Amino acid sequence: ETGVTQTPRHLVMGMTNKKSLKCEQHLGHNAMYWYKQSAKKPLELMFVYNFKEQTENNSVPSRFSPECPNSSHLFLHLHTLQPEDSALYLCASSQGQGARETQYFGPGTRLLVL
Amino acid sequence: DAKTTQPPSMDCAEGRAANLPCNHSTISGNEYVYWYRQIHSQGPQYIIHGLKNNETNEMASLIITEDRKSSTLILPHATLRDTAVYYCIVRLPIQGAQKLVFGQGTRLTINP
Repeated sequence: ETGVTQTPRHLVMGMTNKKSLKCEQHLGHNAMYWYKQSAKKPLELMFVYNFKEQTENNSVPSRFSPECPNSSHLFLHLHTLQPEDSALYLCASSQGQGARETQYFGPGTRLLVL
Repeated sequence: DAKTTQPPSMDCAEGRAANLPCNHSTISGNEYVYWYRQIHSQGPQYIIHGLKNNETNEMASLIITEDRKSSTLILPHATLRDTAVYYCIVRLPIQGAQKLVFGQGTRLTINP
């Protein structure tokens, strides 16, 4: 248990559906992250938020829309996804954004797009 | 961030020390070396990090060569639960967007 929770743990959706992934951290951290891990590929950073402000968008398609209402919660809104978007979506948090700040990861949401 | 090179896979017997190497020949003087691991279908787990000196915690030891071009993660008494993919990452101590750039890592299998 890392103090970062993600819901749902598994999600199956059609290409026309709209769904949201939720991440919550109980560590008092100020920075939160979304990563994507496709099968047999390294983790890819998607978005970074620091004090609720987005500081990084790693060329992610607009069908993925993040939202960070406060430093403890992070959402990833999904709309008209493609089958190739099926992956493990991981949330992480850290106290700050310096290189000495350790990132703590949640268990992930495994997404299947049909 | 400096690029790292790791062997794709390694095997180790249960109870033995597992030594995982990482090359980071282009590392700069103020870049930290971080190790994470990912057990199947779970989120990555932080293990240890260091800059110049060797480091030890309850999970592992990190040995960094004097020229800092390579490092070794040591799991002193490997157990079956240490089977995972281990990632070596180097990062700059800068403010602003923090990136963990994950490579393919080393798939470590602990055998009974």
